[in-house]
Amino acid sequence: GEQVEQLPSILRVQEGSSASINCTYENSASNYFPWYKQEPGENPKLIIDIRSNMERKQTQGLIVLLDKKAKRFSLHITDTQPGDSAMYFCAKKGRALIFGTGTTVSVSP
Amino acid sequence: EAGVTQSPRYAVLQEGQAVSFWCDPISGHDTLYWYQQPRDQGPQLLVYFRDEAVIDNSQLPSDRFSAVRPKGTNSTLKIQSAKQGDTATYLCASSYRGNNQAPLFGEGTRLSVL
Repeated sequence: GEQVEQLPSILRVQEGSSASINCTYENSASNYFPWYKQEPGENPKLIIDIRSNMERKQTQGLIVLLDKKAKRFSLHITDTQPGDSAMYFCAKKGRALIFGTGTTVSVSP
Repeated sequence: EAGVTQSPRYAVLQEGQAVSFWCDPISGHDTLYWYQQPRDQGPQLLVYFRDEAVIDNSQLPSDRFSAVRPKGTNSTLKIQSAKQGDTATYLCASSYRGNNQAPLFGEGTRLSVL
């Protein structure tokens, strides 16, 4: 089936620094790219998304970039806080929503 | 507005037992997804419906898993004879095709097969 590769799988950063997660995909028919944050024991929650007619979107300390030619998109968390520690998933939607493999982000004080 | 509702929240089975999971999507959402999420992994699509029709069930282990959405609203996912490898959280999500927004997830059912 369709795949989304997500790297890194683990990301440890100091509070106040930035964290970046990268995803690549295969099927160019995808037109919508959401990002989810999942805390232990909870369901994935949408934090930001970008559509295929955009290259950049920013909201509340989060930036997403989309390079359709390279079939690559990324999430950048600026000024990380301990509350940003969680699992993050990229996803792409063409016909169905397909998830990346996940990144565990750990922010230390 | 009520979110996606799933039940039960937890299930513990012995191998070989059967179990059913139930999902009530957000009212008006025509698309419903079932995902399997093993511990520390990403959600993996099992099946999804548009209204009552199965759109893609290619990742559903058809010998033991089945899913229905007979009236295009609630859905049931059933495991006929559970295996230890089925231990995971089963997530239901729903969305509305017309606005092409991200599906919203229920709280999930945590299944442990002993």
